[in-house]
Amino acid sequence: EPEVTQTPSHQVTQMGQEVILRCVPISNHLYFYWYRQILGQKVEFLVSFYNNEISEKSEIFDDQFSVERPDGSNFTLKIRSTKLEDSAMYFCASSESLDRPAKNIQYFGAGTRLSVL
Amino acid sequence: AQSVTQLDSQVPVFEEAPVELRCNYSSSVSVYLFWYVQYPNQGLQLLLKYLSGSTLVKGINGFEAEFNKSQTSFHLRKPSVHISDTAEYFCAVSVVMDTGRRALTFGSGTRLQVQP
Repeated sequence: EPEVTQTPSHQVTQMGQEVILRCVPISNHLYFYWYRQILGQKVEFLVSFYNNEISEKSEIFDDQFSVERPDGSNFTLKIRSTKLEDSAMYFCASSESLDRPAKNIQYFGAGTRLSVL
Repeated sequence: AQSVTQLDSQVPVFEEAPVELRCNYSSSVSVYLFWYVQYPNQGLQLLLKYLSGSTLVKGINGFEAEFNKSQTSFHLRKPSVHISDTAEYFCAVSVVMDTGRRALTFGSGTRLQVQP
């Protein structure tokens, strides 16, 4: 069964450093998402991406964050200068469509745990 | 803004007992409803979904949920739980944003702890 894959599973970085989290969405999906889950808190929407541009973004997704689809398979989340409060589990998701009900289902990767020291 | 409320942060239950995990959402037209499960140290896995049609939906691992529009609820049930059902369960709602596009909003999660 096709799945969303994320690498690395765990990323440790120093405060102020740049990190890139990588995701390979399901191959025929067109919509891509990033979510984060701070330890013990709810899953929060960060950004959605379609046709090489951001569709929606939350208040969390400030200028420190950026997303990119550098090639036909990868979807990346970059944090330019990490802060302690960026420590969280980051989930990538993809869906075939955004609006058609049966195609709107988002499938999630296993996540990347980011630890900022 | 749309909100999703999971009233119980933790639900302890004995093996083979029935369980209900509660989820309520703020009223909106055209909602799609989902339950995701997160096993320890794993990602989110889709358990079941309501898009339209029958209000009782069945998912994987013997779980089912009922969409109740009048009560704006989408409670998750299982008649007999196993130890392996121990996990965090998230209710999520897909709603139309101001831009006309849909976004997924999650509840805070319910930890199901199945005891022998």
